Amino acid sequence: NAGVTQTPKFQVLKTGQSMTLQCAQDMNHNSMYWYRQDPGMGLRLIYYSASEGTTDKGEVPNGYNVSRLNKREFSLRLESAAPSQTSVYFCASSEIRSGNTIYFGEGSWLTVV
Amino acid sequence: QKEVEQDPGPLSVPEGAIVSLNCTYSNSAFQYFMWYRQYSRKGPELLMYTYSSGNKEDGRFTAQVDKSSKYISLFIRDSQPSDSATYLCAMSDGSGYSTLTFGKGTMLLVSP
Repeated sequence: NAGVTQTPKFQVLKTGQSMTLQCAQDMNHNSMYWYRQDPGMGLRLIYYSASEGTTDKGEVPNGYNVSRLNKREFSLRLESAAPSQTSVYFCASSEIRSGNTIYFGEGSWLTVV
Repeated sequence: QKEVEQDPGPLSVPEGAIVSLNCTYSNSAFQYFMWYRQYSRKGPELLMYTYSSGNKEDGRFTAQVDKSSKYISLFIRDSQPSDSATYLCAMSDGSGYSTLTFGKGTMLLVSP
């Protein structure tokens, strides 16, 4: 089992460019998440999808869009990248149950210059 | 007051030491408590999962929850250099689609 797989692992963008981070999970989980992690700020939730067909904003959604393509896949799009979006992005998934233990991917390192 | 407080460290200990990592929280509705370990340039991985108050042991790791004090701890016995990582606490009230609330993490360095 691969768990949660993210691509790409590293990306450098110019300000104003767009890109999509891809995420897939093979654990048959219903819920999926996108987090960003910055030094001193911890993990911050960008968007989540409680189940296939639904998406909701998290703590820091501005500048991002998401698509829950199917039960396995959840993508994060930066329409017009800004230097403030330089960060490490983590995709995660969980079952719908009390406690919501979350399983993370390996991360995508994004630099916007 | 932040919802979850965690000392960022770094916490430096010699190999073999007993390590205590802690988080305090303010939301009395939290019932599910987790510890994640994150190695450098890797994603967080679930280490311990506890429901409500009490202790849970797994090998060298013990998770402790004191809901009356809103305080959780992770103890590592016989610490090893391979334990060097950032440890994040996380918690949830478990209601519906509630997401986890994370601490910012404590960096642990275990020297040989």
